[in-house]
Amino acid sequence: DTGVSQDPRHKITKRGQNVTFRCDPISEHNRLYWYRQTLGQGPEFLTYFQNEAQLEKSRLLSDRFSAERPKGSFSTLEIQRTEQGDSAMYLCASSLTGGAGNIQYFGAGTRLSVL
Amino acid sequence: GDSVTQMEGPVTLSEEACLTINCTYTATGYPSLFWYVQYPGEGLQLLLKATKADDKGSNKGFEATYRKETTSFHLEKGSVQVSDSAVYFCALSDQTGNQFYFGTGTSLTVIP
Repeated sequence: DTGVSQDPRHKITKRGQNVTFRCDPISEHNRLYWYRQTLGQGPEFLTYFQNEAQLEKSRLLSDRFSAERPKGSFSTLEIQRTEQGDSAMYLCASSLTGGAGNIQYFGAGTRLSVL
Repeated sequence: GDSVTQMEGPVTLSEEACLTINCTYTATGYPSLFWYVQYPGEGLQLLLKATKADDKGSNKGFEATYRKETTSFHLEKGSVQVSDSAVYFCALSDQTGNQFYFGTGTSLTVIP
């Protein structure tokens, strides 16, 4: 068990460019979550997958954001036409299942800076 | 909607001092409550959890009790160490476990 891994750890991009982040969850985990964390704030929920199905999306997830988990394993989060307000840490988490008390395991995050 | 309000920091303590970080929540139904810790450069790690009223979560000398009557889940430790320096997040998950809500985090620095 290597934990949740995210790639890249840091991304610097210019406004208007597209970026894609990858998350590899713990191998037997069915659920995968994406969060955004800005400086001085806690993580804010963006979306989650049960296997390959995207079951819920936050209103924070504008139409410039898209997430996929094509084979129920790794996931990608793409941001199109980046804006300076997208600068944040993007966190991925996975859990074995849902239900009350389920524990989410977090990756170290991808820090995005939009210039 | 569901939410978590967490004591603001930063908090600076001397080694072996007592720690309390306050956390209160607003939720419908029967949420589960968590404390996560984030060390510099690392991801959030679960510190402890409680899934029903009056449950006490504990780990590494930290404790928190799920108090439904006061809607609180305060984090406590009797004697902090330098290695406890980190950011601590209180979190809540709803009854389905599908949504997590985090507090803003409290930065703790322990000085020798």
